[in-house]
Amino acid sequence: NAGVMQNPRHLVRRRGQEARLRCSPMKGHSHVYWYRQLPEEGLKFMVYLQKENIIDESGMPKERFSAEFPKEGPSILRIQQVVRGDSAAYFCASSRDRAQNEKLFFGSGTQLSVL
Amino acid sequence: GQQVMQIPQYQHVQEGEDFTTYCNSSTTLSNIQWYKQRPGGHPVFLIQLVKSGEVKKQKRLTFQFGEAKKNSSLHITATQTTDVGTYFCAGLNDYKLSFGAGTTVTVRA
Repeated sequence: NAGVMQNPRHLVRRRGQEARLRCSPMKGHSHVYWYRQLPEEGLKFMVYLQKENIIDESGMPKERFSAEFPKEGPSILRIQQVVRGDSAAYFCASSRDRAQNEKLFFGSGTQLSVL
Repeated sequence: GQQVMQIPQYQHVQEGEDFTTYCNSSTTLSNIQWYKQRPGGHPVFLIQLVKSGEVKKQKRLTFQFGEAKKNSSLHITATQTTDVGTYFCAGLNDYKLSFGAGTTVTVRA
């Protein structure tokens, strides 16, 4: 039983480049959440997706950031024209149903470093 | 929007001692969840509390949910080196989990 798979584990980008972070939820899970964590801080909600739908993107910056969860394949968090302030750990979590009374299973995260 | 506050931010504990970390929400919660993140790791679910006043125990860990469903606490007895990590509470409102900043625990042997 594979857990939530995130890749890459570490991603280094120069300012202005694009970053693509991938997340494959646990088998049978159709709900995906992306969180961002800065050093010594908590997890900040970014976006909640179901298959092919963005349910809530209120935590995601309006510019440069986008997320998708296609019918086939992993969920993708895309950051265009990265800046140093985008450096952080990005965690994906999945659940079988909406988080109501459902625990979240987290992936190992992608550590993004912007040079 | 909903805010979840945790105190203390850091907890330095002598091995064998007890400590408590507290979590407060600005709004009433559907439920509250606790997660533990080891250094360099990812958050791992510990427990969920749903009912007002609920108390749950996991070995040396005791979790409480306040009567008003706006606060919670985690009490660890006889701290061990394996307890090192950051403990997050997360308040659920509808489908969205809002995490506190966490309490980072270090243990002196």
